[in-house]
Amino acid sequence: AIQMTQSPSSLSASVGDRVTITCRASQGIGNDLGWYQQRPGKAPKLLIYAASSLQSGVPSRFSGSGSGTDFTLTISSLQPEDFATYYCLQDYNYPRTFGQGTKVEIK
Amino acid sequence: QGQLVESGGGVVQPGRSLRLSCAASGFTFRNYGMHWVRQAPGKGLEWVATISYNGGSEYYADSVKGRFTISRDNSKNTLSLQMNSLRADDTAIYYCVRGDYGLDVWGQGNTVSVSS
Repeated sequence: AIQMTQSPSSLSASVGDRVTITCRASQGIGNDLGWYQQRPGKAPKLLIYAASSLQSGVPSRFSGSGSGTDFTLTISSLQPEDFATYYCLQDYNYPRTFGQGTKVEIK
Repeated sequence: QGQLVESGGGVVQPGRSLRLSCAASGFTFRNYGMHWVRQAPGKGLEWVATISYNGGSEYYADSVKGRFTISRDNSKNTLSLQMNSLRADDTAIYYCVRGDYGLDVWGQGNTVSVSS
């Protein structure tokens, strides 16, 4: 199974900060990667698919990049509603595998 | 955009069975692959199983293979997860999810608790 390693596991940031989360795959997955946001007590929400495509309705401050084994989710200017946990998911093959999550907390 | 509503969760003893259902609406169900994803208390997301749009292919996590069965009824717009030989580590919120590339529609989640 492909292992997805996210970093950092948590971070503290302030409103307006630029935040970057990375995800590394144990083998090449092309651009078959999605990013998800999960607020406490809520179902996850798709932010980015195919590594860099913004899901409809998602604010443009979210962006994704990368291909092969290294991927990045960037929030250009952190907003109060962005404090949440973020996960990457490879949909290159089965079994599908998530990263362990990155919790973004208020500084 | 679509809506998914899970049902069937609850408390069950180890070794027993439980069946989760998911009712889909607002989109053409038969056109999409469907998944179950779970989240144990305080833990991250874990993919559980996938079924192709026509039910012709199924995929399972190693942790549930041989115990869980995913199925769908495209005439009734429903997705199911039959869970047998349940263990304590199957305790989680189970999400029904739509998606082929990108899991774009999620149910609200249904809690399964395995405890004696």
